[in-house]
Amino acid sequence: DQQVKQNSPSLSVQEGRISILNCDYTNSMFDYFLWYKKYPAEGPTFLISISSIKDKNEDGRFTVFLNKSAKHLSLHIVPSQPGDSAVYFCAASATPVFYGGSQGNLIFGKGTKLSVKP
Amino acid sequence: NAGVTQTPKFQVLKTGQSMTLQCAQDMNHEYMSWYRQDPGMGLRLIHYSVGAGITDQGEVPNGYNVSRSTTEDFPLRLLSAAPSQTSVYFCASGARRSGACNEQFFGPGTRLTVL
Repeated sequence: DQQVKQNSPSLSVQEGRISILNCDYTNSMFDYFLWYKKYPAEGPTFLISISSIKDKNEDGRFTVFLNKSAKHLSLHIVPSQPGDSAVYFCAASATPVFYGGSQGNLIFGKGTKLSVKP
Repeated sequence: NAGVTQTPKFQVLKTGQSMTLQCAQDMNHEYMSWYRQDPGMGLRLIHYSVGAGITDQGEVPNGYNVSRSTTEDFPLRLLSAAPSQTSVYFCASGARRSGACNEQFFGPGTRLTVL
């Protein structure tokens, strides 16, 4: 049973336009959410995070929105650039991972492959 | 700063062989973890450590052992390799700090094939 779902395996966007990547979760105990970006043959790179006390977090071109009642979060990239082409993973945990315990285990979605065309 | 380093980059094993995947970080991070990524799947946590001398199981620990004798190193041991352990393995580390954004820094991965 997937606790974190990224239902779109792929997304194609024109350079300069907005990319919207979606993530749904089923565990109402999740309070910490992260997005990672991964290029082929490299490890994932942390992008942005949000905790449940907020509904929005911005960092430059990246904004994450959290709708706790709908158990849904989304990552907006504006404007999209060809260098943003990568696989994006959504991840969630109930408690901070660094505190230990199974509630801190990060659960990852399967990823969405974003292609930004010039 | 080298960040998180993993060796080897690639490894082929025969069923039943054992080996150790190495992971080291030079950022003085308390938290270290091992994940595996299978095709079309997200990352799954194998084992983690919140500090030297402390380890715990993640989501998929069977067939793997870890130890954390120093802050810097967190090796992952495959006791008796099986084809089901064919995967890409990522090591990650992170620092505890206020705010708890859960950010982890990942190594480049080890691609393991078990025949």
